[in-house]
Amino acid sequence: KAGVTQTPRYLIKTRGQQVTLSCSPISGHRSVSWYQQTPGQGLQFLFEYFSETQRNKGNFPGRFSGRQFSNSRSEMNVSTLELGDSALYLCASSLTGSGANVLTFGAGSRLTVL
Amino acid sequence: EDKVVQSPLSLVVHEGDTVTLNCSYEVTNFRSLLWYKQEKKAPTFLFMLTSSGIEKKSGRLSSILDKKELFSILNITATQTGDSAIYLCAVEGGYGQNFVFGPGTRLSVLP
Repeated sequence: KAGVTQTPRYLIKTRGQQVTLSCSPISGHRSVSWYQQTPGQGLQFLFEYFSETQRNKGNFPGRFSGRQFSNSRSEMNVSTLELGDSALYLCASSLTGSGANVLTFGAGSRLTVL
Repeated sequence: EDKVVQSPLSLVVHEGDTVTLNCSYEVTNFRSLLWYKQEKKAPTFLFMLTSSGIEKKSGRLSSILDKKELFSILNITATQTGDSAIYLCAVEGGYGQNFVFGPGTRLSVLP
């Protein structure tokens, strides 16, 4: 079956712009999580969605937001981009998001902010 | 604050060597510990550990969890150049689904 699909794979933006990233989970997976990966900070948890509701949120400013649609696809948005937002944004899906879960990751969206 | 620590952060070995990667954690409401391998892109799943003392094995890789001492190790025997990657340890805990990742161990296997 198809894996987790993230689009776009690469993008370049300038400071002050906004960006929207998309994630399609594995069919049947209802939980979608987002992570930011940078060389200095490693993988940092952004938020998790389940059945269109944000269940958990990491310590990121309000410029980072997301949503999940009824088909479990998710988007995340970053507004007023800063240089420090340059990172690999990884989306991961899992079946239910409760109990012991295995996250399956997409290939990521690499964002460069100039 | 929940945290996951991995050591060493970087390791260079030669093909055929055996390596041990360490992961220690302080996470409330522990549910599971996962190991991932990350090459150029998406982290790929290696093991999930939930019970102490039960070794998980897959080919040359194995892992074990100690919930009393709050750590896990990942062993790779007879390393190959294809094992070169970043190995990530993640712990699920807290409330809701919340994985805390360690910084990773960058393993380089030289021919």
